[in-house]
Amino acid sequence: DAKTTQPNSMESNEEEPVHLPCNHSTISGTDYIHWYRQLPSQGPEYVIHGLTSNVNNRMASLAIAEDRKSSTLILHRATLRDAAVYYCILLNAGGTSYGKLTFGQGTILTVHP
Amino acid sequence: NAGVMQNPRHLVRRRGQEARLRCSPMKGHSHVYWYRQLPEEGLKFMVYLQKENIIDESGMPKERFSAEFPKEGPSILRIQQVVRGDSAAYFCASSPTGTGRTDTQYFGPGTRLTVL
Repeated sequence: DAKTTQPNSMESNEEEPVHLPCNHSTISGTDYIHWYRQLPSQGPEYVIHGLTSNVNNRMASLAIAEDRKSSTLILHRATLRDAAVYYCILLNAGGTSYGKLTFGQGTILTVHP
Repeated sequence: NAGVMQNPRHLVRRRGQEARLRCSPMKGHSHVYWYRQLPEEGLKFMVYLQKENIIDESGMPKERFSAEFPKEGPSILRIQQVVRGDSAAYFCASSPTGTGRTDTQYFGPGTRLTVL
Protein backbone atom coordinates (compact mmCIF):
# COMPACT_ATOMS: atom_id res chain seq x y z
CA ASP A 1 0.00 0.00 0.00
CA ALA A 2 1.18 3.50 -0.78
CA LYS A 3 2.45 5.39 2.25
CA THR A 4 1.11 8.63 3.69
CA THR A 5 2.93 11.23 5.77
CA GLN A 6 1.19 13.51 8.25
CA PRO A 7 2.42 15.96 10.89
CA ASN A 8 2.40 14.43 14.36
CA SER A 9 0.30 17.17 15.87
CA MET A 10 -1.48 20.43 15.15
CA GLU A 11 -3.28 23.00 17.23
CA SER A 12 -6.19 25.25 16.52
CA ASN A 13 -8.51 27.65 18.26
CA GLU A 14 -12.21 27.07 18.47
CA GLU A 15 -14.27 28.55 15.64
CA GLU A 16 -11.22 28.85 13.38
CA PRO A 17 -10.55 26.80 10.22
CA VAL A 18 -8.09 23.93 10.39
CA HIS A 19 -6.08 22.57 7.48
CA LEU A 20 -4.67 19.10 8.04
CA PRO A 21 -2.10 18.13 5.40
CA CYS A 22 -1.21 14.70 4.08
CA ASN A 23 1.56 13.76 1.67
CA HIS A 24 1.23 10.69 -0.50
CA SER A 25 3.88 11.07 -3.17
CA THR A 26 3.73 7.39 -4.24
CA ILE A 27 -0.02 7.35 -4.78
CA SER A 28 -1.19 5.32 -7.74
CA GLY A 29 -3.88 6.29 -10.19
CA THR A 30 -6.39 3.93 -8.61
CA ASP A 31 -5.81 4.92 -4.98
CA TYR A 32 -8.64 6.69 -3.22
CA ILE A 33 -7.80 9.12 -0.41
CA HIS A 34 -9.79 8.45 2.76
CA TRP A 35 -9.82 10.34 6.05
CA TYR A 36 -10.91 8.89 9.35
CA ARG A 37 -10.67 10.34 12.83
CA GLN A 38 -10.60 8.81 16.27
CA LEU A 39 -11.97 10.74 19.20
CA PRO A 40 -10.59 9.87 22.66
CA SER A 41 -11.69 6.44 23.87
CA GLN A 42 -13.84 5.84 20.78
CA GLY A 43 -13.64 3.85 17.59
CA PRO A 44 -12.53 5.54 14.38
CA GLU A 45 -15.08 7.53 12.42
CA TYR A 46 -15.23 8.11 8.69
CA VAL A 47 -14.78 11.73 7.68
CA ILE A 48 -14.50 12.00 3.90
CA HIS A 49 -12.89 10.48 0.82
CA GLY A 50 -12.03 11.46 -2.73
CA LEU A 51 -10.16 10.45 -5.86
CA THR A 52 -9.26 13.50 -7.93
CA SER A 53 -11.76 16.27 -7.40
CA ASN A 54 -12.24 18.28 -4.24
CA VAL A 55 -15.04 16.96 -2.05
CA ASN A 56 -17.35 18.51 0.51
CA ASN A 57 -19.66 16.98 3.07
CA ARG A 58 -21.29 18.08 6.28
CA MET A 59 -18.20 17.32 8.32
CA ALA A 60 -15.34 18.65 6.24
CA SER A 61 -13.84 19.40 2.85
CA LEU A 62 -11.08 17.53 1.08
CA ALA A 63 -8.74 19.41 -1.22
CA ILE A 64 -6.66 17.20 -3.50
CA ALA A 65 -3.60 18.54 -5.29
CA GLU A 66 -3.66 18.42 -9.05
CA ASP A 67 -0.84 15.85 -9.14
CA ARG A 68 -2.57 13.95 -6.28
CA LYS A 69 0.68 13.73 -4.34
CA SER A 70 -0.85 15.57 -1.42
CA SER A 71 -4.21 16.43 0.04
CA THR A 72 -5.63 18.62 2.79
CA LEU A 73 -8.54 17.96 5.10
CA ILE A 74 -10.30 21.20 5.96
CA LEU A 75 -12.46 21.69 9.02
CA HIS A 76 -14.14 25.00 8.37
CA ARG A 77 -14.88 25.92 11.99
CA ALA A 78 -13.16 23.79 14.58
CA THR A 79 -15.06 22.89 17.71
CA LEU A 80 -13.84 21.26 20.89
CA ARG A 81 -15.51 18.06 19.70
CA ASP A 82 -13.17 17.98 16.71
CA ALA A 83 -10.19 17.24 18.96
CA ALA A 84 -9.09 13.83 17.74
CA VAL A 85 -6.44 11.89 15.86
CA TYR A 86 -6.94 12.31 12.12
CA TYR A 87 -5.79 9.59 9.76
CA CYS A 88 -5.13 9.95 6.04
CA ILE A 89 -5.39 6.53 4.35
CA LEU A 90 -5.05 5.36 0.76
CA LEU A 91 -7.32 2.60 -0.51
CA ASN A 92 -6.65 0.91 -3.80
CA ALA A 93 -9.53 0.37 -6.19
CA GLY A 94 -8.37 -3.07 -7.15
CA GLY A 95 -5.89 -5.65 -6.07
CA THR A 96 -6.27 -7.79 -3.00
CA SER A 97 -6.29 -5.09 -0.36
CA TYR A 98 -10.07 -5.05 -0.29
CA GLY A 99 -11.19 -2.44 2.16
CA LYS A 100 -8.74 -3.01 4.94
CA LEU A 101 -7.51 0.26 6.39
CA THR A 102 -3.82 0.79 7.06
CA PHE A 103 -3.58 3.38 9.81
CA GLY A 104 -0.43 5.42 10.26
CA GLN A 105 0.30 7.54 13.31
CA GLY A 106 -2.07 10.26 12.21
CA THR A 107 -2.20 13.89 13.31
CA ILE A 108 -3.28 14.71 16.84
CA LEU A 109 -5.48 17.80 16.62
CA THR A 110 -5.81 19.91 19.75
CA VAL A 111 -8.53 22.56 19.78
CA HIS A 112 -8.22 25.39 22.28
CA PRO A 113 -11.32 27.17 23.62
CA ASN B 1 -30.61 2.10 12.56
CA ALA B 2 -28.29 0.83 15.27
CA GLY B 3 -24.59 1.19 14.66
CA VAL B 4 -21.94 -1.47 15.05
CA MET B 5 -22.25 -3.09 18.44
CA GLN B 6 -19.47 -4.70 20.37
CA ASN B 7 -19.61 -6.54 23.64
CA PRO B 8 -18.40 -6.64 26.18
CA ARG B 9 -17.05 -3.11 26.29
CA HIS B 10 -14.53 -4.07 28.94
CA LEU B 11 -13.16 -7.54 29.55
CA VAL B 12 -10.71 -8.63 32.22
CA ARG B 13 -9.01 -11.99 31.96
CA ARG B 14 -6.21 -13.71 33.81
CA ARG B 15 -3.26 -15.11 31.92
CA GLY B 16 -4.14 -18.42 30.32
CA GLN B 17 -7.88 -17.80 30.09
CA GLU B 18 -9.87 -17.38 26.91
CA ALA B 19 -11.32 -14.10 25.66
CA ARG B 20 -14.31 -13.96 23.34
CA LEU B 21 -15.14 -10.64 21.73
CA ARG B 22 -18.39 -10.15 19.86
CA CYS B 23 -19.29 -7.81 17.05
CA SER B 24 -22.72 -7.24 15.54
CA PRO B 25 -22.41 -5.34 12.25
CA MET B 26 -24.80 -2.69 11.10
CA LYS B 27 -28.01 -3.98 9.59
CA GLY B 28 -27.50 -5.00 6.00
CA HIS B 29 -23.71 -5.18 6.28
CA SER B 30 -22.11 -8.48 5.42
CA HIS B 31 -18.45 -7.47 5.70
CA VAL B 32 -16.63 -7.31 9.02
CA TYR B 33 -13.12 -6.16 9.89
CA TRP B 34 -11.26 -6.51 13.16
CA TYR B 35 -8.53 -4.12 14.25
CA ARG B 36 -6.35 -4.02 17.34
CA GLN B 37 -4.94 -0.94 19.06
CA LEU B 38 -2.16 -1.65 21.52
CA PRO B 39 -1.48 0.94 24.21
CA GLU B 40 0.20 4.04 22.78
CA GLU B 41 0.18 2.52 19.29
CA GLY B 42 -1.87 2.89 16.15
CA LEU B 43 -4.64 0.70 14.88
CA LYS B 44 -3.59 -2.47 13.10
CA PHE B 45 -5.71 -4.57 10.78
CA MET B 46 -6.23 -8.14 11.94
CA VAL B 47 -8.81 -9.93 9.81
CA TYR B 48 -11.52 -9.38 7.20
CA LEU B 49 -14.54 -11.66 7.05
CA GLN B 50 -17.66 -12.08 5.05
CA LYS B 51 -20.50 -14.29 6.16
CA GLU B 52 -19.05 -17.77 6.79
CA ASN B 53 -15.76 -16.88 5.09
CA ILE B 54 -12.40 -15.50 6.15
CA ILE B 55 -11.18 -13.36 3.28
CA ASP B 56 -7.96 -11.90 4.65
CA GLU B 57 -6.32 -12.88 7.94
CA SER B 58 -2.90 -11.46 7.17
CA GLY B 59 -2.89 -9.37 10.34
CA MET B 60 -3.82 -12.15 12.73
CA PRO B 61 -1.15 -13.58 15.03
CA LYS B 62 -0.36 -17.10 13.94
CA GLU B 63 -1.28 -18.74 17.22
CA ARG B 64 -4.09 -18.40 19.78
CA PHE B 65 -6.20 -16.00 17.70
CA SER B 66 -9.17 -17.00 15.59
CA ALA B 67 -12.17 -15.25 14.09
CA GLU B 68 -15.48 -16.29 12.64
CA PHE B 69 -18.56 -14.68 11.16
CA PRO B 70 -21.30 -17.31 11.06
CA LYS B 71 -24.38 -17.22 8.88
CA GLU B 72 -26.43 -16.25 11.91
CA GLY B 73 -25.23 -14.22 14.81
CA PRO B 74 -22.35 -11.90 15.54
CA SER B 75 -18.74 -12.11 14.47
CA ILE B 76 -16.49 -13.55 17.17
CA LEU B 77 -12.84 -12.85 17.80
CA ARG B 78 -11.42 -15.51 20.08
CA ILE B 79 -8.13 -15.31 21.91
CA GLN B 80 -7.02 -18.48 23.64
CA GLN B 81 -4.58 -18.61 26.53
CA VAL B 82 -4.32 -14.85 26.80
CA VAL B 83 -1.05 -13.19 27.75
CA ARG B 84 -0.40 -9.70 29.09
CA GLY B 85 0.67 -8.55 25.63
CA ASP B 86 -2.86 -9.15 24.38
CA SER B 87 -4.10 -6.24 26.48
CA ALA B 88 -5.44 -3.77 23.95
CA ALA B 89 -8.53 -2.20 22.48
CA TYR B 90 -10.14 -4.36 19.82
CA PHE B 91 -12.32 -2.61 17.28
CA CYS B 92 -14.75 -4.11 14.85
CA ALA B 93 -15.90 -2.36 11.70
CA SER B 94 -18.53 -3.27 9.13
CA SER B 95 -19.28 -2.20 5.58
CA PRO B 96 -22.04 -2.99 3.11
CA THR B 97 -19.60 -4.22 0.48
CA GLY B 98 -15.95 -5.01 0.43
CA THR B 99 -14.79 -3.09 -2.55
CA GLY B 100 -12.77 -0.68 -0.48
CA ARG B 101 -12.58 2.06 -3.03
CA THR B 102 -15.49 4.13 -1.82
CA ASP B 103 -16.83 1.90 0.92
CA THR B 104 -17.13 3.49 4.30
CA GLN B 105 -16.27 1.37 7.30
CA TYR B 106 -18.38 1.93 10.39
CA PHE B 107 -16.60 1.21 13.63
CA GLY B 108 -17.92 -0.03 16.91
CA PRO B 109 -16.98 1.42 20.30
CA GLY B 110 -14.39 -1.29 20.89
CA THR B 111 -13.70 -3.90 23.53
CA ARG B 112 -10.95 -3.06 25.97
CA LEU B 113 -9.23 -6.25 27.04
CA THR B 114 -7.09 -6.26 30.15
CA VAL B 115 -5.03 -9.32 30.97
CA LEU B 116 -3.92 -9.60 34.58
